[in-house]
Amino acid sequence: IAGITQAPTSQILAAGRRMTLRCTQDMRHNAMYWYRQDLGLGLRLIHYSNTAGTTGKGEVPDGYSVSRANTDDFPLTLASAVPSQTSVYFCASSLQGTTGELFFGEGSRLTVL
Amino acid sequence: GQNIDQPTEMTATEGAIVQINCTYQTSGFNGLFWYQQHAGEAPTFLSYNVLDGLEEKGRFSSFLSRSKGYSYLLLKELQMKDSASYLCAVMDSNYQLIWGAGTKLIIKP
Repeated sequence: IAGITQAPTSQILAAGRRMTLRCTQDMRHNAMYWYRQDLGLGLRLIHYSNTAGTTGKGEVPDGYSVSRANTDDFPLTLASAVPSQTSVYFCASSLQGTTGELFFGEGSRLTVL
Repeated sequence: GQNIDQPTEMTATEGAIVQINCTYQTSGFNGLFWYQQHAGEAPTFLSYNVLDGLEEKGRFSSFLSRSKGYSYLLLKELQMKDSASYLCAVMDSNYQLIWGAGTKLIIKP
């Protein structure tokens, strides 16, 4: 029983490098999300997808891109990492985009130097 | 703009009761959610309120007043394992979740 899996769990990255955070769910949820969580701030939505083949921008999309080629996978790419992207990234899924009960992955801690 | 306010930190004693408040101002309302997040872990869903009133689930209860833009999470018979951050989130008219910064609850023996 996996639920939702993220990789890597932790990564140190040099500024300017490209990085892809992987996210896979086996719950057949339609909606998937990427959030970042920084100390003292609430979860901030980066990108979301309400169904395979569609994506949308959240509150803080700049510097990030996503794709949703199938139901299960929702990778997040940082094209050219900057230090301000140092954060904990959570992937989440929900049955539908109108459902607020989210299931979260364990998180990916990213440090950009 | 949209915002969710909740206290940054609270302290309570094992076995006691604690109430964590959340006030919100959002563009529309499609439900209020509480999540629990232990340090270094992912948030997990606790409760959902869409109508006014109290929803009880074991030791945890959540209350909503839509007219006041107010909710609280009530934790009874506190246990050490309840030490965590509690996140309040509101789903707005566009079905986007707006998150509070979370309340860190410290339980003392």
